[in-house]
Parts: sequence; structure tokens; C-alpha cells
Amino acid sequence: NAGVTQTPKFRVLKTGQSMTLLCAQDMNHEYMYWYRQDPGMGLRLIHYSVGEGTTAKGEVPDGYNVSRLKKQNFLLGLESAAPSQTSVYFCASSYSSRQQFFGPGTRLTVL
Amino acid sequence: AQTVTQSQPEMSVQEAETVTLSCTYDTSESDYYLFWYKQPPSRQMILVIRQEAYKQQNATENRFSVNFQKAAKSFSLKISDSQLGDAAMYFCAYRSAQSGYALNFGKGTSLLVTP
Repeated sequence: NAGVTQTPKFRVLKTGQSMTLLCAQDMNHEYMYWYRQDPGMGLRLIHYSVGEGTTAKGEVPDGYNVSRLKKQNFLLGLESAAPSQTSVYFCASSYSSRQQFFGPGTRLTVL
Repeated sequence: AQTVTQSQPEMSVQEAETVTLSCTYDTSESDYYLFWYKQPPSRQMILVIRQEAYKQQNATENRFSVNFQKAAKSFSLKISDSQLGDAAMYFCAYRSAQSGYALNFGKGTSLLVTP
């Protein structure tokens, strides 16, 4: 039982490049979330999903897209990376209103 | 939108002593949950304790307890018998049914534990 996993753990991009972060959970959770954490800040919600095939915007969605084609996976895409997207990205999942389980995070640097 | 405020960017405590971390929040909702998360240098987010707003009794988990004052919208974390392994960032978080039960975090308090 791996819980919540994130791929990759680290990545360096150049401005304008694109990439996809993968989040996978094996707990059959309906709800999945993407957050970003910047220095001196708590985590902020980018996008979330309440079930397979559904996505919704969070607090800071600009510059990101998401997809939830399979229940266990939640993908976060950056179409044209900008230095302002340098951050640590966390994925989380939960069963309805219960405890959220977090992945280990992905450190992304955009040069 | 709900806001969560942690007014102490840094706190320090000696080993075996007690420390209290403060958190206040702003909401017009009556049904919600509050959490404290610990983030050690490994970056992993670890749930420390949670409190349901409808419960009057304060939550306790071993050395960790909360003082939940609903009317004052205050949710402090008390760590008793502090240990070196308690050193970490601590985040207070609010969750309601909005945004798919997503968490709304404070900016965190860095806790230093000295021998």
C-alpha cells in the first residue's frame, strides 16, 4: 500500500517549457488535490477533483491545467512554465470529508 | 473565503517543556474542521491533530492537545514534554465542504526545540 505517490520528485525547467506532474493514490479515494507551497507560505490550492472525470479550480489555478481520467491518478500540467511557478507541489487525496493524505512533494525550479 | 492566521513565525522551546502555537481563523460557517499539520525538513505533511467544530471537547493525541474556542475563532496547539523530534514547521488548516473539502492553510510556525 504505497499511499500517495508523486512523480517526479525534482525537476528543473527552462522558461516556456512544459511538463506534467503525476499523482497516484491506491486508497480508492474520490477526492484529489494539487497544492503549491512557496517560502514563508502555507500550502495553496491549485486545482481539485471530486471524482473521476471532474476537476475544478482552486485559489491559484492560473498557468496550470489538470486531468482526472482515472480515479487513481491526478495530473497537473504546466503548458508554458514561468519562474513564478518555481515551488514545491503537493498532491493529496481523501475519502470525502475525511483526513487528507499527502504525497512527498515535487520540487520544481523554473529558470 | 476563509482565512487562517498564524501570528508566530517562529517559536522556541526547551526539551521537556511545554509550548503553545496560536492559530485564528475567519469564517461564517458553522460546520467545519480544523487541523494541525507538522512538516519536518523531509517536507512530508504529517497530520498531528484534528478538531470537529461541532464538538465542544478539545481534541487530544498523546502529547498534543488543542484549545478550541469556537466563539473566538481560535485554535491553538499545545505540545507537552517537547522532544527534539518535534522541531518542524507547524501549519494550522481549516476545512469546510467548499472546494471539495480542500484545506486552507496558515503560513506556518517554525518550532525550534533546544536541548
